[in-house]
Order: sequence, then C-alpha cells, then structure tokens
Amino acid sequence: AQSVSQHNHHVILSEAASLELGCNYSYGGTVNLFWYVQYPGQHLQLLLKYFSGDPLVKGIKGFEAEFIKSKFSFNLRKPSVQWSDTAEYFCAVKSSGTYKYIFGTGTRLKVLA
Amino acid sequence: SQTIHQWPATLVQPVGSPLSLECTVEGTSNPNLYWYRQAAGRGLQLLFYSVGIGQISSEVPQNLSASRPQDRQFILSSKKLLLSDSGFYLCAWSEGHYSTYEQYFGPGTRLTVT
Repeated sequence: AQSVSQHNHHVILSEAASLELGCNYSYGGTVNLFWYVQYPGQHLQLLLKYFSGDPLVKGIKGFEAEFIKSKFSFNLRKPSVQWSDTAEYFCAVKSSGTYKYIFGTGTRLKVLA
Repeated sequence: SQTIHQWPATLVQPVGSPLSLECTVEGTSNPNLYWYRQAAGRGLQLLFYSVGIGQISSEVPQNLSASRPQDRQFILSSKKLLLSDSGFYLCAWSEGHYSTYEQYFGPGTRLTVT
C-alpha cells in the first residue's frame, strides 16, 4: 500500500534559519506531489504541487520543493524562515489515475522570534 | 469562486448517540469529495471519498458511513458513536476525473464523544 513518511515530527528554528522538511513516499508509478500547510486556527491550504516537468517547484511565501524520483522524495525548503511560518506542514501523494490522496503524519514547525 | 462549508464546527455527543456531519461545496460541479479524520501526530486519515452522487468508497472499515445525496453535498454519519470516534473531521473537494488538481479543505468539525 502507498505510504508517505515525514521523518521530522517537530522542528524548532530561529528566525532567518534555513528549513528543510523531509518527505518520502512509497509508490513506483507516476505520482502527483503536494505540500499543504495549516496555520494555527486556519484551514489546510496548498503550499505547492508537482505534476510533471521541472522537479524544482516554487510555491507561496518563498517555499520550494524538489522532486527526486530516484529517492522517492519531495523535500520542502525555505532559505530563511519567519515567525509567521509557524504551522503544521503536510506532505501528500496522489497516484496518477486514482482519486486518493495519501498524507504524511505532518511536521510541526515552530519559529522563534 | 468556490467555497466549502462544514457544520457543525464543534460537537459533543455521548457514546451510543447518532452522528451526522455535513459538508457542502459551492461554485463548482461534479467535484470529488472526501472525508478525513485528523489526529495529532497521525496526519490525515482518509475515511471516504466520492466521485459522484451515490458513489462512496470506504478506506477504513469502522463505525462510520458516508453518503452523497446531492452533487455537492457529502454527509458523514454514525448510528452509534464510540469514544474512539472523537477527533477532528475534515471535508475536502477536488476537481475532475483522475485530476491532477489539489484538494481544498473545509474548516473542520471537532467531535468529542463523552
């Protein structure tokens, strides 16, 4: 069965530090990849997505992610975090040709001012 | 623009009572609809999804059921709640068949079973 692993459950960073959150999935076929963010008290919303083409995708608020097919990974990065990036981040995978989205367990990021 | 509504926002129910959570989407047609349960440290667990009226796929056998009586309405139900049904329930929608589009999430319902 498909699965998504987010190895960092809690991350604490100071403002201006660089961020990288890991995401690995288990599925050998074509996939669509997503990162969602849930700010405190708000809905889950899309940060960025990968469907095809350039494996380096850019999203909102300065976030980017790189799809490395050989490593089954889709890690999220931001060069310099801000206090407002404090949130929970979820990686999700959808196999092409299906309706199901599989989510990781999430990573809680706390940015210290 | 499209919007998604869920109600109620919070609910406290005794064990053994029935449950009905409702989700509606506006501004689109033929959406794919989803119910998830979100638990701390466990991410989002897909419970049910639907690609059309009356079409329900169940992902996790449990004490819950789902129905889609109208194109843009998705209902999560239980005949008798268990303590383990407590959690945060999210409804989501996406566009198209086998689409590559992202999901859009509602505000969620916090259910506490006492």
